[in-house]
Amino acid sequence: DVVLTQTPPTLSATIGQSVSISCRSSQSLLHSNGNTYLNWLLQRPGQPPQLLIYLVSRLESGVPNRFSGSGSGTDFTLKISGVEAEDLGVYYCVQSTHAPPTFGGGTKLELK
Amino acid sequence: EVQLVESGGGLVQPGRSLKLSCVASGFTFSNYGMNWIRQAPGKGLEWVAYISSGSSYIYYAETVKGRFTISRDNAKNTLYLQMTSLRSEDTALYYCARRSNLYVMDAWGQGASVTVSS
Repeated sequence: DVVLTQTPPTLSATIGQSVSISCRSSQSLLHSNGNTYLNWLLQRPGQPPQLLIYLVSRLESGVPNRFSGSGSGTDFTLKISGVEAEDLGVYYCVQSTHAPPTFGGGTKLELK
Repeated sequence: EVQLVESGGGLVQPGRSLKLSCVASGFTFSNYGMNWIRQAPGKGLEWVAYISSGSSYIYYAETVKGRFTISRDNAKNTLYLQMTSLRSEDTALYYCARRSNLYVMDAWGQGASVTVSS
C-alpha cells in the first residue's frame, strides 16, 4: 500500500499567519491517465472530514481561496494563506491513484 | 443538498455481528461509487471498503476482508456494511463517503459509532 507521510504532525499558528503542510508519498501518485489523485481533507473537532482540495490543486466548491495545493509525483503541499479560527482541526492528505486509497497520518493545526 | 446519514452502530461483544446503513439524499445515488471509512478513537482515517455504482466492483481492506460485506440498494438509496466476527480493533466511528468520478471522497456522513467490547 502507498504510505503518505505528513509533516509536521502538529502546527501552531496565530490568526493571519500563513502555514504549509507537507505530504510525501512512498511512490509516485501520477496515474497512467495523466491525473494525480492527491486530495486534502479538513476534519474540524467533532465533525466528519470535508474535502478541501482535489487533484493536487483544485479547490472544492465553497472552500475559501486562502487554501491552495501544489506538488507533483511524490511531494505535495497544502498552504493556508492567512489562518482563520475556523481553519483549526486536523488536515489529512489522501491518495486514490493506487488501490487501496490511503490517508496520511494527519496534521493538527492549533492556535498558538 | 447532499446528505449521507449513517445508522446501526452500537455496543457489541467480540465475535458478534452488526450491520450499518447509510441513507443518501440530494443526489442520484445510483450514479456514484461509495466507500466506508473508519476512524478509531483518537486516531486517523482508514479506508474499509468500496462498492461501485452498480455493485459490479467491490474491494475491501485486508484488515476486514472475509469478515465485512459492503452492499447497496439503489432503489432505497442505501449503502450497507455487514460486519461479522467483530474484534476490539474494529471499534471506530464508521463514515460512509461518496466517490466522485474523479476518485474523490467528496461527501461524508456524520458517522456511526461501533464499540466492540465484552
